[in-house]
Amino acid sequence: DIQMTQSPSSLSASIGDRVTINCRASQSISRYLNWYQQKPGTAPKLLIYAASSLHSGVPSRFSGSGSGTDFTLTISSLQPEDFATYHCQQSYSTSPTFGQGTKVEL
Amino acid sequence: QVRLQESGPGLVKPSETLSLTCSVSGASISSFYWSWIRQPPGKGLEWIGYRHHSGSTNYSPSLNRRVSISVDTSKNQFSLNLTSVTTADTAVYYCAGLAGRDNFYYLDVWGKGTTVIVSS
Repeated sequence: DIQMTQSPSSLSASIGDRVTINCRASQSISRYLNWYQQKPGTAPKLLIYAASSLHSGVPSRFSGSGSGTDFTLTISSLQPEDFATYHCQQSYSTSPTFGQGTKVEL
Repeated sequence: QVRLQESGPGLVKPSETLSLTCSVSGASISSFYWSWIRQPPGKGLEWIGYRHHSGSTNYSPSLNRRVSISVDTSKNQFSLNLTSVTTADTAVYYCAGLAGRDNFYYLDVWGKGTTVIVSS
């Protein structure tokens, strides 16, 4: 299995902050990397696919970058509705795997 | 708008079989690769597997010997069977649709999730 490691596991931020979340793959996955947002008690929602493509309806303050083994999710100006847990997921292999999640707290 | 709804027992005894169904509305059963993902309490997401209506399947290597996913096109539903469960299988189970664009695949639509507890 390809291991996905996110950092940090949690972070504290304020409204308006620029937030960066990292995701590292145990081997090169090209750009086969997706990001999801999950709020407590709800299902994850797709934010970004193919490392940097914004999913339909997702605000432009979210962006993704990276290729190979290192990827980043950036929230340019944190909004109240962005406090959530963020998960990366590789789709390079036939056995998709997720990172452990990064919780963004106030 | 595509909607997915999981259904099934919330409590399963150890060594028995966990069976869940996902009902699909707003989309044809041929539209996606139909997937199951789970999330143990306080932990991250774990992909279980997927099946296409054509019959192609792919299961997590760690669950491969115990899992099967089937698709019922006549009912617009797909199902998960997980045999010989233990307490480690306690989790929220999500059904989801895996979509693709330019060979990049992602979980596009999700059910709300259903909690399954394995306990005697």
